[in-house]
Amino acid sequence: EIVLTQSPGTLSLSPGERATLSCRASQSVTSNYLAWYQQKPGQAPRLLIYAISSRATGIPDRFSASGSGTDFTLTISRLEPEDFAVYYCQQYGGSPAWTFGQGTKVEIK
Amino acid sequence: QVQLQQSGPGLVKPSQTLSLTCVISGESVSSTSAAWNWIRQSPSRGLEWLGRTYYRSKWINEYAESVNSRITVNPDTSKNQVSLQLKSVTPEDTAVYFCVRGGYEFDIWGQGTMVTVSS
Repeated sequence: EIVLTQSPGTLSLSPGERATLSCRASQSVTSNYLAWYQQKPGQAPRLLIYAISSRATGIPDRFSASGSGTDFTLTISRLEPEDFAVYYCQQYGGSPAWTFGQGTKVEIK
Repeated sequence: QVQLQQSGPGLVKPSQTLSLTCVISGESVSSTSAAWNWIRQSPSRGLEWLGRTYYRSKWINEYAESVNSRITVNPDTSKNQVSLQLKSVTPEDTAVYFCVRGGYEFDIWGQGTMVTVSS
């Protein structure tokens, strides 16, 4: 099973700042199957990014992502008030094996 | 648009069976381009994929190794829904359970059901 480790655990930033979140896999991720989600309190996760760098429907272009192999990054270019939330990475390693990172909380500084 | 509406009890006694239902609107459960998953979330285990069902000329079920001996995910084509059954629950099964559409990634989520395992 591929283990995903996200860092940092918490990111304290101000609106308008840039956020850079990291997701590291314990082994190479299969065929670009790496996704990112945003979760706000009391809500289900929302898909932001799939296939490493493709934005999901309706996701603003301030969200971007990149990476390959075992190292992946989610960037929020300018934080809006609604972007303060917890972010998860997720990989597909061959059925039945989907795993998630433990999350990075982006909080208001 | 596709929506998933979950229902089921919020409290289950230890050793009993957890049962949840997910009604699908906006897409057929038999769609050959969709898969219907159950994922749970708890403070101790984080987000954990449990299992899925999907139709590709026949119905296929896949389950996580961690729950493989206790879980059943079934489609109901007459009601356009999927169900989750988890047998012999313990307090470790306490979590928010989500019904989710997705293949390699998960794009449509139900609202979540908090299930507590306690006597």
